[in-house]
Amino acid sequence: GDSVTQMEGPVTLSEEAFLTINCTYTATGYPSLFWYVQYPGEGLQLLLKATKADDKGSNKGFEATYRKETTSFHLEKGSVQVSDSAVYFCALSPLSGGYNKLIFGAGTRLAVHP
Amino acid sequence: DTEVTQTPKHLVMGMTNKKSLKCEQHMGHRAMYWYKQKAKKPPELMFVYSYEKLSINESVPSRFSPECPNSSLLNLHLHALQPEDSALYLCASSQDNVQRGNIQYFGAGTRLSVL
Repeated sequence: GDSVTQMEGPVTLSEEAFLTINCTYTATGYPSLFWYVQYPGEGLQLLLKATKADDKGSNKGFEATYRKETTSFHLEKGSVQVSDSAVYFCALSPLSGGYNKLIFGAGTRLAVHP
Repeated sequence: DTEVTQTPKHLVMGMTNKKSLKCEQHMGHRAMYWYKQKAKKPPELMFVYSYEKLSINESVPSRFSPECPNSSLLNLHLHALQPEDSALYLCASSQDNVQRGNIQYFGAGTRLSVL
């Protein structure tokens, strides 16, 4: 079945460091791909999305590119801030099933220190 | 406005209580979802409503009973819960349930504790 695998955390970085959170997926065809972020005590917020191969999603300095050849959607940011500390979920929405089901990765906790 | 509002934010209930969680959106979305999230885990889908009709029940125990009174409201009725049901309950909505790349917007959740 469809699945998402994320790198295990926690990821601990100093402010202004470069961030990469790896995400790979297994799915039939070309699913839509998402990154959601969950700040402490809050719900999930969409960070960015991509719906077809080679699409690049970007928002708030974060970027991810839909790579069909490596079935990956890695999240990157050039310079993280303390306010980026949160849990990041990679997710896919499969083509089949007839509805917009989200399949989530396990989540990666990011802690950014001053 | 991409806001999904959930009430209450926190709820403590005994195993014999009956309570309800509420979710509201005014984005004109026609699909609404309930998720359960345990600590340090991703959300797990419970129910999907599409055009006010229940379209998906992910084998959820009958002590959880969803209701969609109209296109803007979604309720989750709780009865005879167990301590292991303690979790963060998230509501989400999306424009349509079959559109490719359709974005789900989440509420802040209700943190439920069952004593």
